[in-house]
Amino acid sequence: GEDVEQSLFLSVREGDSSVINCTYTDSSSTYLYWYKQEPGAGLQLLTYIFSNMDMKQDQRLTVLLNKKDKHLSLRIADTQTGDSAIYFCAANNKFYFGSGTKLNVKP
Amino acid sequence: SQTIHQWPATLVQPVGSPLSLECTVEGTSNPNLYWYRQAAGRGLQLLFYSVGIGQISSEVPQNLSASRPQDRQFILSSKKLLLSDSGFYLCAWSLERGVYEQYFGPGTRLTVT
Repeated sequence: GEDVEQSLFLSVREGDSSVINCTYTDSSSTYLYWYKQEPGAGLQLLTYIFSNMDMKQDQRLTVLLNKKDKHLSLRIADTQTGDSAIYFCAANNKFYFGSGTKLNVKP
Repeated sequence: SQTIHQWPATLVQPVGSPLSLECTVEGTSNPNLYWYRQAAGRGLQLLFYSVGIGQISSEVPQNLSASRPQDRQFILSSKKLLLSDSGFYLCAWSLERGVYEQYFGPGTRLTVT
């Protein structure tokens, strides 16, 4: 099976940067994704990165990919209380998801 | 534009009763379809995926089954529910090729009592 691992919790203060990390084992994935899940809702795609890229920036979001270490990270700049949610990384080889990181933003 | 529907939104069923959850997609053809389960406080577990009508792949052995009777309809079923089947069930679709990003339905909260 797949292995996509994430830390379970992250707590930051409003205005700080958040960094959510993910490691994966299958290097055959061509796309890697970050999804956001708000309470009681489905997942919403935040951003994705193609496997031949090292970095992708999209407004407050920065995705870093280290293919050698099979490490993916999501940085949220100027974190807001509305960013509080569970964040999942996923690989497209068979759409396996990490366990999700619950981000808590304190005002 | 494409939309994905799931129903019911919530369901409470006794142990041993049957289950049928439905997912439909509008606005696209020949999508890949997926069923996930999210247990309380846990991540997503891929249960089934389908690349076409009648084509179902099961990811984990379990008490559940899936069917795809029409191109844009995906059904999750069980003949006899177990307590461990409780969870949040999410249906998703993706394009057959390309970026493959997934679009998720609103989910069904199933409680088995």
